[in-house]
Amino acid sequence: NAGVMQNPRHLVRRRGQEARLRCSPMKGHSHVYWYRQLPEEGLKFMVYLQKENIIDESGMPKERFSAEFPKEGPSILRIQQVVRGDSAAYFCASSPGQIEAFFGQGTRLTVV
Amino acid sequence: KQEVTQIPAALSVPEGENLVLNCSFTDSAIYNLQWFRQDPGKGLTSLLLIQSSQREQTSGRLNASLDKSSGRSTLYIAASQPGDSATYLCAVHTGTASKLTFGTGTRLQVTL
Repeated sequence: NAGVMQNPRHLVRRRGQEARLRCSPMKGHSHVYWYRQLPEEGLKFMVYLQKENIIDESGMPKERFSAEFPKEGPSILRIQQVVRGDSAAYFCASSPGQIEAFFGQGTRLTVV
Repeated sequence: KQEVTQIPAALSVPEGENLVLNCSFTDSAIYNLQWFRQDPGKGLTSLLLIQSSQREQTSGRLNASLDKSSGRSTLYIAASQPGDSATYLCAVHTGTASKLTFGTGTRLQVTL
């Protein structure tokens, strides 16, 4: 049973480009969470999704950020028109319900 | 709003010592509490999960306790080893919000 898979592990984007981060949850897990870890800061919740539904997006910036978890395929966190302040580690977690969360290795986004 | 604090922020101990990491949270209405380990540049590894109805959990040299009424948890590491060097994160799951709120972590270094 593979763990939570995130790709890419490292992503470099120029300012103004789009960044797409992918997350495949553990088998049997229908709950996906995205967190962001800014340099020298703790992890902050961004969004909670179940298949085809956004349940809680209270931590998502209002502009440029979006997330989806389609019926088929991985969850996608999309950042449009990236800025230097978006440079961070983005972690995905999955769970079979509102219990133990399992985290992926993260995607480290660098905006140059 | 749930806030999680971890003390100390950093800790250096010689190999073989027993140590205690502290976590406190402001809202006692939690669903569960998880302790994670994060190595530099890596993802999060779940160490222990304590449900709100439990008082403690043990795994090997690790023991985590939970006092929900006072908003505190401790992670006890017995006979520390250099391989235990990492950042330890405490996170609480508030059932109504379906997300984890993280502390800023304790950076542990175990020296030879």
